[in-house]
Amino acid sequence: DQQVKQNSPSLSVQEGRISILNCDYTNSMFDYFLWYKKYPAEGPTFLISISSIKDKNEDGRFTVFLNKSAKHLSLHIVPSQPGDSAVYFCAATNSGNTPLVFGKGTRLSVIA
Amino acid sequence: EPEVTQTPSHQVTQMGQEVILRCVPISNHLYFYWYRQILGQKVEFLVSFYNNEISEKSEIFDDQFSVERPDGSNFTLKIRSTKLEDSAMYFCASIFGGLNEKLFFGSGTQLSVL
Repeated sequence: DQQVKQNSPSLSVQEGRISILNCDYTNSMFDYFLWYKKYPAEGPTFLISISSIKDKNEDGRFTVFLNKSAKHLSLHIVPSQPGDSAVYFCAATNSGNTPLVFGKGTRLSVIA
Repeated sequence: EPEVTQTPSHQVTQMGQEVILRCVPISNHLYFYWYRQILGQKVEFLVSFYNNEISEKSEIFDDQFSVERPDGSNFTLKIRSTKLEDSAMYFCASIFGGLNEKLFFGSGTQLSVL
């Protein structure tokens, strides 16, 4: 059962443009959503999160949008930089008290 | 910056053999986790550990799996009799408080069962 879905396995974007990574979830009990970034040979690192009481959270070049009615969230990176090339995982939890449920990840390639 | 350390980075074993994956969580963290990622699949939760006992485990974490904190620094995952389908990247993670928000992950152990 895929409670958290990232339907795009890969995405290629030109440097300076916007990267949009999408994530859908099925479990309506999820109320906290996170994005992790993973470089090769490293573990995932926390990037940004959003609570279900908000619909947007911004941190520098990274913005996460949450559409609860559609059970959809997205990560926007603008402007994209070559160093952003990594695998991005969407994750969700119920009030942070249940283990994170991850998606399969989207590999972002930012081309100079 | 403190980090979660995992050893070895790669482990190759024969089917049916026992393996122990080792992790040193960040020193003041209290909650410890094992996740795994089979190639091309999602990162899956295996087990969480707090106060020297398992607090939660997934369906994957059957009797072949066990975890231990043998001393004040190490956190180990043992697979008693490995199967081909256990081949995956295993990630250890830790956090000071119970919330999952900013789990700190190690760089993983790639387990290959032949």
